[in-house]
Amino acid sequence: GAVVSQHPSWVICKSGTSVKIECRSLDFQATTMFWYRQFPKQSLMLMATSNEGSKATYEQGVEKDKFLINHASLTLSTLTVTSAHPEDSSFYICSARVPNTEAFFGQGTRLTVV
Amino acid sequence: DAKTTQPPSMDCAEGRAANLPCNHSTISGNEYVYWYRQIHSQGPQYIIHGLKNNETNEMASLIITEDRKSSTLILPHATLRDTAVYYCIVANTGNQFYFGTGTSLTVIP
Repeated sequence: GAVVSQHPSWVICKSGTSVKIECRSLDFQATTMFWYRQFPKQSLMLMATSNEGSKATYEQGVEKDKFLINHASLTLSTLTVTSAHPEDSSFYICSARVPNTEAFFGQGTRLTVV
Repeated sequence: DAKTTQPPSMDCAEGRAANLPCNHSTISGNEYVYWYRQIHSQGPQYIIHGLKNNETNEMASLIITEDRKSSTLILPHATLRDTAVYYCIVANTGNQFYFGTGTSLTVIP
């Protein structure tokens, strides 16, 4: 199946700094990518839908100024957590879909804010 | 929002078939049933999906009831490596996936 790669796999940052997470579709073009967040022992929560060349669509309750999403090409979407705080510590997962097929997920990024 | 209901946990003996149920009574005509699993600290892994016919691949079988209001994922010969959280999702082919709480399957030696 198709491969979606995230980078980095884990990151530790200081409170108040910003962190960028990359999501790449390695062998297909993804016009739409999705970003999820997962807290320990909880399910995946959809944060936003990222469309190539346009602004992301955020789910209710997700701060768009805090979680900046850029989808500048058909193979790359980035999520930037701005002014990170300890409560932003979580597992962030991206996903990409090719129309009329299943979704492919990255391996996730573990963010720890200290 | 998730439109599926799954039991929170199940056990299965190694080598036996694991049957994981999912209720999706509000599924619409053009929505597919997808199954994914997530092993701890990894991204979800695709298993199988279907619209209304039963499906089988190298990993599992998917049985969808005739009224499409429920389905069952079958792992024919469960191994210890099948221990994971299994998610049933209903969605159109181009839409977002909303995850429910899933079923935590434990395969027992």
